[in-house]
Formats: sequence, C-alpha cells, structure tokens
Amino acid sequence: QQPVQSPQAVILREGEDAVINCSSSKALYSVHWYRQKHGEAPVFLMILLKGGEQKGHEKISASFNEKKQQSSLYLTASQLSYSGTYFCGTANAGGTSYGKLTFGQGTILTVHP
Amino acid sequence: KAGVTQTPRYLIKTRGQQVTLSCSPISGHRSVSWYQQTPGQGLQFLFEYFSETQRNKGNFPGRFSGRQFSNSRSEMNVSTLELGDSALYLCASRVAGAGNEQFFGPGTRLTVL
Repeated sequence: QQPVQSPQAVILREGEDAVINCSSSKALYSVHWYRQKHGEAPVFLMILLKGGEQKGHEKISASFNEKKQQSSLYLTASQLSYSGTYFCGTANAGGTSYGKLTFGQGTILTVHP
Repeated sequence: KAGVTQTPRYLIKTRGQQVTLSCSPISGHRSVSWYQQTPGQGLQFLFEYFSETQRNKGNFPGRFSGRQFSNSRSEMNVSTLELGDSALYLCASRVAGAGNEQFFGPGTRLTVL
C-alpha cells in the first residue's frame, strides 16, 4: 500500500513557505523525498531514518514522526526553481527491503513570481 | 563522480516485441533498483539487484525480468510488449545497506505502438 501525500497540489508566490506531508500505514525504516521536474528524473532531496538521522540538502528541512509513520517536508522562502512534483518514497522496516521504495502519488508545487 | 546512466533514452516498439534497457550505476554503488513511472500508476517498484542477485521484486508480471553483472551494471527486459508497458523506466543506484539514499538515472522513455 502506497503512502498518502497531502496536499495534492499547492500554488505559492516566491518567498512563501509550504509543507508537504507523507503518511504510511506501515512501519517504516526510512522516508525519502524527491523533486521531479517535467520530463526529467526525480532528484534526491532528503532521507530520514528511523532513529533520527537525516541526510540531504542544506536548504531543505524535513521531519519524521516514527510513532505516526508520518513525514513532512518544509520548503521555506520558496524560489521559482522549487516548482515541480514532490514525491515521498518509503522503505519498510526489517529484512532487506531498503532498496525497495514505495512512492506516494506526488504533490505538484507551483511557484509564481 | 558521474551519475547513473541509462541507455537508450528513447525507444519505440510494437506490441509483441521485446526490449532490453540498460543501467550503469554510480561508481561504487552495488545496489540497482528499477522503477516504472506512468501518469496513471505513478512510480512503481519493479525489482532490486545486489551482487548479481535479485533481492526484491515488485508486483509485475513475469514478462518483466532483470539481471545484474559483476560490474554492477544492470539490464531489464520486457518480453511480449503490451500497450500498457509504455512508460518511463527509471533505474536508481545506491550504496548497499540500510539508510542509504537512491539516485535516479535520466530514464528510458518506452513507447509501445
């Protein structure tokens, strides 16, 4: 079962902030965030691990609530280049599933001047 | 460091044919995962290979297969193509082990006529 992202779409003006949420019904080991622009491959933004470790871009922040199996991506002072579709991908806890990501349906972010 | 490369970038086939797609991971990455992306189903996991062995498999028919070579390069094959196989096929590589991010290649755009 895929994680659920919200909102499905968001429109911002440059400089505004946005939060994108990702919720799973399964116990997670990690949450991965990607941005994809039209016609391009997904670009890695951040990974959040069970236990609190995070790796990713300096200008992007995110959180992972292990109890609720929820993650949020925080985009502050948005720029035009932030436009794109944001995906969360989740890896379940246990076994050798770390390379198998289940992706949400995506959140379309549009930033206007 | 060079990124993930995929060949070919575009492919047009007819129903019933078979196709082979290639992926070269980032140097030092021994885990390669394949995903299918379509407008209707989103990003879906196909399979993951590590040390020439399939470690995880998604819910796709047996027409979809893959393999990995000793240099970590990977190929995926789709036999008896159907119209619904038209999609962007993405491969992603990572350093094996828990908690490591995946980096996507540019993808192969497959069109089945």
